[in-house]
Amino acid sequence: GAGVSQSPSNKVTEKGKDVELRCDPISGHTALYWYRQSLGQGLEFLIYFQGNSAPDKSGLPSDRFSAERTGGSVSTLTIQRTQQEDSAVYLCASSRTGFNQPQHFGDGTRLSIL
Amino acid sequence: QKEVEQNSGPLSVPEGAIASLNCTYSDRVSQSFFWYRQYSGKSPELIMSIYSNGDKEDGRFTAQLNKASQYVSLLIRDSQPSDSATYLCAVNGAGNNRKLIWGLGTSLAVNP
Repeated sequence: GAGVSQSPSNKVTEKGKDVELRCDPISGHTALYWYRQSLGQGLEFLIYFQGNSAPDKSGLPSDRFSAERTGGSVSTLTIQRTQQEDSAVYLCASSRTGFNQPQHFGDGTRLSIL
Repeated sequence: QKEVEQNSGPLSVPEGAIASLNCTYSDRVSQSFFWYRQYSGKSPELIMSIYSNGDKEDGRFTAQLNKASQYVSLLIRDSQPSDSATYLCAVNGAGNNRKLIWGLGTSLAVNP
C-alpha cells in the first residue's frame, strides 16, 4: 500500500488477555519502529527493527511486551497478560535505511484494557 | 540523557499571523531534524526535514536550523485555523545510537 498500515484500528480487551498488534510498513522501508502514546502525552519509543533484527529494544516496558518482524516487512507487537496501564495508542512508523531518514506513521491502534 | 525540549504552549495566534515554534536539543552531534504535525486523535505527520544550517522553505512553512546554538524552529506564515495542532520536533544524532529523540510538542491554536 501507499502508507503504513496498522491493524486493528481499535482493540478492547479484558485485563489479563494477550493482544497482537500488526504493522505493515511502506514498501521498500527497511526500518520499522513501534511507539506508544498515552492520552495527552508524548511519544514513547518501544522498539526499532532494521530488517528482521531488533538492534534497539530498550523501550519495551516489561517482559510482557515482545515484537517480531518477518520477511523484512510485517511486524507484530505482542502484549501478554495485559494490564490497565497498557491502554494507549500504539503507533508504528517506517523509514528507508538510516536514522537520518524521516519516519512515516500509520494511523495507530487504540488499545483499551478493561 | 539526550533531550529535545519544546515549549508546551498553548501558543495562540490570530488567523493570518506568523506562528513561531521553537525546539532546542542537547546532543551536539545531531545531524537530522524533523518537524511533525499531530492533530488531536491522529498520528504524527511529517511536515519538514532539515539537515544543514540555515532556512528551508516549503510553502507556508520555513524550518530554521542553527547547530551552533542547538536550536531548530518552524515558522508558519499566514496561519490558518486548520494549522491548529500539536507540533513535534524530532532530532537524531550520528554514531551508533542514532535513535530519534522526540520533544513533547507545542500546542498551536490559530484563532479565526
